[in-house]
Amino acid sequence: QSVVTQPPSASGTPGQRVTISCSGSTSNIGSNNAYWYQQLPGMAPKLLIYRSNQRPSGVPDRFSGSKSGTSASLAISGLRSEDEADYYCAAWDDSLSGPVFGGGTKLTVL
Amino acid sequence: QLQLQQSGPGLVKPSETLSLTCTVSGGSISSNNYHWGYIRQPPGKGLEWIGTIYYTGNTHYNPSLKDRVSISVDTSKNQFSLRLRSVTAADTAVYYCARERTTDWYGIYYYGVDVWGQGTTVTVSS
Repeated sequence: QSVVTQPPSASGTPGQRVTISCSGSTSNIGSNNAYWYQQLPGMAPKLLIYRSNQRPSGVPDRFSGSKSGTSASLAISGLRSEDEADYYCAAWDDSLSGPVFGGGTKLTVL
Repeated sequence: QLQLQQSGPGLVKPSETLSLTCTVSGGSISSNNYHWGYIRQPPGKGLEWIGTIYYTGNTHYNPSLKDRVSISVDTSKNQFSLRLRSVTAADTAVYYCARERTTDWYGIYYYGVDVWGQGTTVTVSS
């Protein structure tokens, strides 16, 4: 059972905006930044959002992140079929002295 | 562009030691701005941070694995390695080596995992 929790699944139609939520605690998201990773089937994860709302170079601006209190969210606008993947949130955990990951959310593009 | 290439056996017997090596190419492991580590993913499950090493040899481990895990670095070969002792079926997972962007091992300096290895599927079975 993950310290950081996400819904197991989410879905949307092409062009739609979808949001994936992530709930943590005061020892992780509440006091540190959130991170989001995209994992395409059979591939290694890829950093999508760092420090709650920053995009690495090459990540489309359709992807955006936010954080409030002990929760974080990933928003994907203009949904595309290639966005179908597993999405993981993560945060530094002060109790662990390292990063903790959520259980992942499987995004289906209908 | 920096790449991480993993090597090591895909099958380990129960109670034995899992050993994996990650070779860094396209950049130096001796960088002030990065730590190097391992993350695993059990079948159908989420990601779990195992541990991290700095090029000086300073390590940090997940407390849940601390008694069984060790990570080492060989700067002359631009490699770092994982050893996990006394494995059981619960250690069956895809193991990733990774580069973590951070200047020090505190949350305020952490920028996430920006480079991942290709992953090694490790099965613990007799």
